[in-house]
Amino acid sequence: DQQVKQNSPSLSVQEGRISILNCDYTNSMFDYFLWYKKYPAEGPTFLISISSIKDKNEDGRFTVFLNKSAKHLSLHIVPSQPGDSAVYFCAASEGQGGSEKLVFGKGTKLTVNP
Amino acid sequence: DTGVSQNPRHKITKRGQNVTFRCDPISEHNRLYWYRQTLGQGPEFLTYFQNEAQLEKSRLLSDRFSAERPKGSFSTLEIQRTEQGDSAMYLCASSLLSGGGYTFGSGTRLTVV
Repeated sequence: DQQVKQNSPSLSVQEGRISILNCDYTNSMFDYFLWYKKYPAEGPTFLISISSIKDKNEDGRFTVFLNKSAKHLSLHIVPSQPGDSAVYFCAASEGQGGSEKLVFGKGTKLTVNP
Repeated sequence: DTGVSQNPRHKITKRGQNVTFRCDPISEHNRLYWYRQTLGQGPEFLTYFQNEAQLEKSRLLSDRFSAERPKGSFSTLEIQRTEQGDSAMYLCASSLLSGGGYTFGSGTRLTVV
């Protein structure tokens, strides 16, 4: 049973435009959410996180939005750059801070075209 | 400290053989995690340590799998009597107890032939 779902396996956007990656979860006990980026042949790299007590967190070009009632979060990248092309994983944990066990989605492959 | 180091990067083994992977975490991180990733899937939790204590093991971790973290520093993951279904990327990560997200290593890719 997939507790964290990323329903879009791939997304293609033009350089300079907004990329929006979506994630849904089913476990209401999740209270901390993270996004990781992964390049081929490398481990995932932490990108941005959000606690369930917030509905938005911003870091430079990256913003994560959390809608607890809908059990949905999204990652916005503005403006998108070719170097952002990677697989993006959504992850969730039941512990605050992200030092607990993480449950990952299957990932969305983002391609940013020049 | 340059991050989480995993060795070897690649391992090809014959079915039935035992394999051992090593992970060296970031030195000040007291939590260490093992995940497994197969093609088209996200990382799946296997086990984690706080210092030298193994706090949780996934039901995915059969009796053929064992992990250790002696002295709370590096960790090893051993798979006995490997099966073709064990072929995957094995990822190690570490973090501070206070959180802030994990730092992953580059992984060990295991191929069982």
